[in-house]
Amino acid sequence: DIQLTQSPSFLSASVGDRVTITCRASQGISSYLAWYQQKPGKAPKLLIYAASTLQSGVPSRFSGSGSGTEFTLTISSLQPEDFATYYCQQLNSYPITFGQGTRLEIK
Amino acid sequence: EVQLVESGGGLVKPGGSLRLSCAASGFTFSSYSMNWVRQAPGKGLEWVSSISGSSYHIYYADSVKGRFTISRDNAKNSLYLQMNSLRDEDTAVYYCAKRGDGYNYEYWGQGTLVTVSS
Repeated sequence: DIQLTQSPSFLSASVGDRVTITCRASQGISSYLAWYQQKPGKAPKLLIYAASTLQSGVPSRFSGSGSGTEFTLTISSLQPEDFATYYCQQLNSYPITFGQGTRLEIK
Repeated sequence: EVQLVESGGGLVKPGGSLRLSCAASGFTFSSYSMNWVRQAPGKGLEWVSSISGSSYHIYYADSVKGRFTISRDNAKNSLYLQMNSLRDEDTAVYYCAKRGDGYNYEYWGQGTLVTVSS
């Protein structure tokens, strides 16, 4: 199985900050990686797929990069509505796996 | 507008069974793989099972293999998860999710809570 390790697990930041979350895969997954945002009590929302393709309707302050085993999600200027938990997901092979999540909180 | 609406969750005793449903609308259901993902209280996301549009390809997480069965009825635009031999650790919110064209889970339902407890 492919393990995904996100870092950090917890991040405290301020509105306007630039933040980066890293997702490392235990083996190469090409660009078959997606990022999701989840707010409490809500379903996950797709942000980025194919490692760097922005989902329609998602603000351009979100961006993704990487391929192979190392990937990043960057939020260029944090907005109040961005405080949430973020998950990476690999769709290279079954079983599909998710990272453990990164909780982004207001400093 | 794509809509996914799960139902069938509830309280069940260990060893019991439950059948979840996901009613889909707003897209050509038979053309897309569908998936179940769960989230235990306070925990992360865990993929459970996937089924291709024609039901030819079916996959399960090891944690549910032999106990859960995924199925779909394309005539009814519905996805199902039959859960047998339920355990305490199956307690979670269960989401159905539509696979997108670009290797992602493009749309998610609101989730249905399954609680396994004596």
